[in-house]
Amino acid sequence: EIVLTQSPGTLSLSPGEKATLSCRASQSVSSSSLAWYQQKPGQAPRLLIYGASRRPTGIPDRFTGSGSGTDFTLTISRLEPEDSAVYYCQQYGTSPRSFGQGTKLEIK
Amino acid sequence: EVQVVESGGGLVQRGGSLRLSCTASGFSFSSYWMSWVRQAPGKGLEKGLEWVASIKADGTEKYYVDSVKGRFTISRDNAKNSLYLQMNSLRDDDTAVYYCAIGGSWFFNWGQGTLVTVSS
Repeated sequence: EIVLTQSPGTLSLSPGEKATLSCRASQSVSSSSLAWYQQKPGQAPRLLIYGASRRPTGIPDRFTGSGSGTDFTLTISRLEPEDSAVYYCQQYGTSPRSFGQGTKLEIK
Repeated sequence: EVQVVESGGGLVQRGGSLRLSCTASGFSFSSYWMSWVRQAPGKGLEKGLEWVASIKADGTEKYYVDSVKGRFTISRDNAKNSLYLQMNSLRDDDTAVYYCAIGGSWFFNWGQGTLVTVSS
């Protein structure tokens, strides 16, 4: 099983700043099979990125995914108050699918 | 509008059974892999999300996380646009919000979840 480790655990930034969230895999994730999700309190997760860098329709271009192999990054530029949430990475290159433990982003 | 709605959660005794349902609308259900993902309640960053099971569009392939193999069964009825999760021999650590999600690799649309609480 691939273990995903996210850092930092919590990130506190101001509106307009840029957030950089890291996801490190215990072994190489094949074909950049990595996704990112946003989850707000009391809500279901929402897909932000798949294929390491692809955005689904409707996701703002402020959300950018990058990386390959074992190191992946989600960058959120021009932070807005509504970006306050927990962000999870997930790999789907191998079974079982696995998620990181999450990074909590707080907007001051 | 693409939508999936879960139902069937509730309080069940340890060792008991429960069947979750997920009703889909707004997309061609029979063309997509479907999955169940769970999240232990109130655990935040400690427990996070856990993939439980996935089923191919035509129902011919099914995959499970090791911890539920032999106890849970995923199934679907494409004529009814419905996904199911039969859960038997429930344990305390099965307590979670269970989400129905579209997809078998990444999960591109999720329901609001249904809470399953296993109590002794």
